[in-house]
Amino acid sequence: KNQVEQSPQSLIILEGKNCTLQCNYTVSPFSNLRWYKQDTGRGPVSLTIMTFSENTKSNGRYTATLDADTKQSSLHITASQLSDSASYICVVSMFSGGYNKLIFGAGTRLAVHP
Amino acid sequence: DAMVIQNPRYQVTQFGKPVTLSCSQTLNHNVMYWYQQKSSQAPKLLFHYYDKDFNNEADTPDNFQSRRPNTSFCFLDIRSPGLGDAAMYLCATSRDSEGWEQYFGPGTRLTVT
Repeated sequence: KNQVEQSPQSLIILEGKNCTLQCNYTVSPFSNLRWYKQDTGRGPVSLTIMTFSENTKSNGRYTATLDADTKQSSLHITASQLSDSASYICVVSMFSGGYNKLIFGAGTRLAVHP
Repeated sequence: DAMVIQNPRYQVTQFGKPVTLSCSQTLNHNVMYWYQQKSSQAPKLLFHYYDKDFNNEADTPDNFQSRRPNTSFCFLDIRSPGLGDAAMYLCATSRDSEGWEQYFGPGTRLTVT
């Protein structure tokens, strides 16, 4: 069964601290892995997208890693800001029939406190 | 610049009263998707259009229909909304090639009274 599991479910950190979110997947055939940020009441916004051959990708203070052998990914947030408070969703893409079907994780809800 | 636009942002409808949600895109993408997202859950794909070809997910209730009159617009029709259909509805678009990004709209929050 194609699944994406994220941990932790929720996380509280203090402003300025770093944190790492985890994602494990069992999706086949694998096309790419994406991390999205979703603010409350808004649509998801893409942070990074990685293909099978990429191990790491950065977007400002966000750094994603991918281990395709163990089917694990992580999202590291450096020097957190209050605006980082959001849900972070790991999404694995399957390319089939001419379109990308996305398998979503349930997300990690991050709260950054002053 | 807005790329995927959803209207309205908030919609209230009565139990059983048909409702239509709208999505438009300025990206000229081939594929348009509709997702349902309930509180604290991952988005669930309802269906997608590959150009004019409609593709329904196996577990999407018959109560949900969609129309795509042209490349830019796609509509979600809920024929008889139930209380369980209250959710955020997300529209997304992508090109038809592997690895292309899916761009999400801001969503429409549907309330059923």
